[in-house]
Amino acid sequence: DIQMTQSPSSLSASVGDSVTITCRASQGIRNSLAWFQQKPGKAPKSLISAAFTLQSGVPSKFSGSGSGTDFTLTINSLQPEDFATYYCQQYLSYPPTFGGGTKVEI
Amino acid sequence: EVQLLESGGGLVQPGGSLRLSCAASGFSFSRNAMSWVRQAPGKGLEWISGIRPRADTYYADSVKGRFTISRDNSKSTLFLQMNSLTAEDTALYYCAKGQEDSNYAECWGQGTLVTVSS
Repeated sequence: DIQMTQSPSSLSASVGDSVTITCRASQGIRNSLAWFQQKPGKAPKSLISAAFTLQSGVPSKFSGSGSGTDFTLTINSLQPEDFATYYCQQYLSYPPTFGGGTKVEI
Repeated sequence: EVQLLESGGGLVQPGGSLRLSCAASGFSFSRNAMSWVRQAPGKGLEWISGIRPRADTYYADSVKGRFTISRDNSKSTLFLQMNSLTAEDTALYYCAKGQEDSNYAECWGQGTLVTVSS
């Protein structure tokens, strides 16, 4: 199975800050990498697929990059609604695997 | 609008069984891979099972041999039969729609809670 290592596991930031979350795959996954946002008590929401393709309705403050084994999610100008837990997931092969999550706190 | 509505969760004793359902609407169900993903209380996301449009099935090692995924394309419904449940299966179970035949979970339901306890 492909292991996904996400870092940091948590971070503290202020409104207006920019933050970057990284995700590393244990083997190359081309660009088959997605990012999800989950708020407390809610289902995950897809933000980005194919490493950098924003899903419909997702603001451009979110951006993804990377290919192969190393990927990043950047969130610019943090707003109160962005404080949540973020997960990466590889979907190149079964089983699709998630990173451990990054909790973005105020 | 894509909608995924899970049902069938509840309290079950260790060793018991449950059958989860996910009623889908708003897209061509038969054309999409579907998955079940669970989240134990306070923990991260764990993919547990997937089924492709042609009904190829896949399982995480943690549930292989105990859980069975299936689909009824005529009713746009996804199922998860869960047997030999243990406390470690206690979680919120999400149904997720794949992007066509891909594993990528582009849409999620709200989840159904399964609690395994005596």
